[in-house]
Amino acid sequence: EVLLQQSGAELVRPGSSVKISCKASGYTFTDYYMHWVKQRPEQGLVWIGRINPANGNTVYAEKFKSKATLTADKSSNTAYMQLSSLTSEDTATYFCTRWDFWGQGTLVTVSS
Amino acid sequence: DIQMTQSPSLLSASVGDRVTLSCKASQNIYKYLNWYQQKLGEAPKLLIYYTNSLQTGIPSRFSGSGSGTDYTLTISSLQPEDVATYFCQQYNSWWTFGGGTKLELK
Repeated sequence: EVLLQQSGAELVRPGSSVKISCKASGYTFTDYYMHWVKQRPEQGLVWIGRINPANGNTVYAEKFKSKATLTADKSSNTAYMQLSSLTSEDTATYFCTRWDFWGQGTLVTVSS
Repeated sequence: DIQMTQSPSLLSASVGDRVTLSCKASQNIYKYLNWYQQKLGEAPKLLIYYTNSLQTGIPSRFSGSGSGTDYTLTISSLQPEDVATYFCQQYNSWWTFGGGTKLELK
């Protein structure tokens, strides 16, 4: 069974950074890109970017090029996304997804 | 960038109704289109991939069609558990999602 297990909710201060994780199981981690998607409360889905876990190559949507950093650790089958210089606009639920299977989401709240 | 527009944004229907949701791309996406269902507080769930292929485990009352820039998701007989928001997604050029159609019971 394919599972993507994300790390727990985060409450962070404006201007800081946060790193969330997505542990994959039930398939060969390096066979599929891992994508990340943002969803603000009561809003739609926005694609952040993707990483190829086999070689670490990344592609980012234009608006996230200076906001998000995607990495992957083949030894632990875990993908990571770091978000920097956080503002209230970054308050959202973030999902990792293979495309057909999704993590449960990680809520990031930016507040002082 | 490819823009995806879904209509309507809100749809009210009765149990047993045939329901059609629309999704329009700003350019030809060559059928590279998926449909997802998202219930309140949950992650999106894949229903249909490559325009008309039913994901494993999804009831056959869901179907997809379309080509070029225009695509539809049809629910042949609406069930109470289908209350959710539905998103289309193109993957011809990276990814873009539509704004969603919220489906509620009348």
